[in-house]
Amino acid sequence: EVQLVESGGGLVQPGGSLRLSCAASGFTFSTYAMSWVRQAPGKGLECVSSISPNGDGTYYADSVKGRFTISRDNSKSTLHLQMNSLRAEDTAVYYCAKIESAAGLNYWGQGTLVTVSS
Amino acid sequence: QPVLTQSSSASASLGSSVKLTCTLSSGHSSYIIAWHQQQPGKAPRYLMKLEGSGSYNKGSGVPDRFSGSSSGADRYLTISNLQSEDEADYYCETWDSNTRVFGGGTKLTVL
Repeated sequence: EVQLVESGGGLVQPGGSLRLSCAASGFTFSTYAMSWVRQAPGKGLECVSSISPNGDGTYYADSVKGRFTISRDNSKSTLHLQMNSLRAEDTAVYYCAKIESAAGLNYWGQGTLVTVSS
Repeated sequence: QPVLTQSSSASASLGSSVKLTCTLSSGHSSYIIAWHQQQPGKAPRYLMKLEGSGSYNKGSGVPDRFSGSSSGADRYLTISNLQSEDEADYYCETWDSNTRVFGGGTKLTVL
């Protein structure tokens, strides 16, 4: 059974940093691209970052480019999102999701809440 | 990059059927999309992949009541025999080499 478990969310002040992690199990992590998707309170879904299976290719939404860094540790089946210079508009639930080639995000974690507020 | 357009809301009666629409932007009408369901307070759940031909592949455990179809740039999600647990937000997703985008979502109310 595929499982994705996010951690690392919390309350942080504007300008602060936070590192999210996603522990994956139930599939061969090193062979799949992965994404971070966020959902601001009462809003829709936004893909903020994606990473290729071996980590050599990354994508960032314009809204986070230069502030967020996605990475992965295939030896530990773990995905990370380093978030710096956080803003109030980054407040959201952040989901980790598995990318199935040419089929979309076919598994989602339960999400972790990030709140940016003074 | 592709843009996906969805109606903001829809409603249908318990036991009836409903057809939700996701429209691809000009120049992207051949794109594959995915449908996701998000019940209140829960994480999104993958429903299916849907091609421009109308061929679809559902995710693990998705009930037979859910089906997909296509016409031109429109991608449809049909839910038959509506149940109370189908009341949720439904999002479509697509992607290309440089980006991954979602539609704004349709809030489905089961009357």
